[in-house]
Amino acid sequence: GQQLNQSPQSMFIQEGEDVSMNCTSSSIFNTWLWYKQDPGEGPVLLIALYKAGELTSNGRLTAQFGITRKDSFLNISASIPSDVGIYFCAGQIVTGANNLFFGTGTRLTVIP
Amino acid sequence: NAGVTQTPKFQVLKTGQSMTLQCAQDMNHEYMSWYRQDPGMGLRLIHYSVGAGITDQGEVPNGYNVSRSTTEDFPLRLLSAAPSQTSVYFCASSHPPEQYFGPGTRLTVT
Repeated sequence: GQQLNQSPQSMFIQEGEDVSMNCTSSSIFNTWLWYKQDPGEGPVLLIALYKAGELTSNGRLTAQFGITRKDSFLNISASIPSDVGIYFCAGQIVTGANNLFFGTGTRLTVIP
Repeated sequence: NAGVTQTPKFQVLKTGQSMTLQCAQDMNHEYMSWYRQDPGMGLRLIHYSVGAGITDQGEVPNGYNVSRSTTEDFPLRLLSAAPSQTSVYFCASSHPPEQYFGPGTRLTVT
């Protein structure tokens, strides 16, 4: 399968700080998605990106589809304790196809 | 609107036993998938379906069977469980490419 490299693997931050994480691939993707997973739950879709260069926000979250189409970034501003969880990037090579390739996740811990 | 439901939530099997993990969705999505999640490996696709009667293999299909007789249901069968199948299993329903996940089944094979 496709290799998506997600970094960092884990982060410990103070409440109120901003967070940045990214995902890179050796392949070109047509779609990038960002998910959050809480303990004991399934991943929940946060943001979907469909075009190179696209910048999309969802509340305090902002994600960008890299110009090269081989990377994507997720930023969280003014972190709060409920931001704790694992964040996954996912990419799709063929538009409309069912398959997604997932990164290995970034585990975020927010210290109150 | 329950979204994607999975049963059971937890299961312990002995090596060689068989079982079926159930998945149902009420969003009328044509696409459904099964993933397994292992520590440090992210989510890996086991099997998927693009509609009733149509299934295909994903990245890690060995040891698993699926069928899709209705739009709503997509069960995953383990015919002879092995310790390597200890994992958390997620079913997803999608309006491509956006996938919506169930709460997962945590399976332990001893």
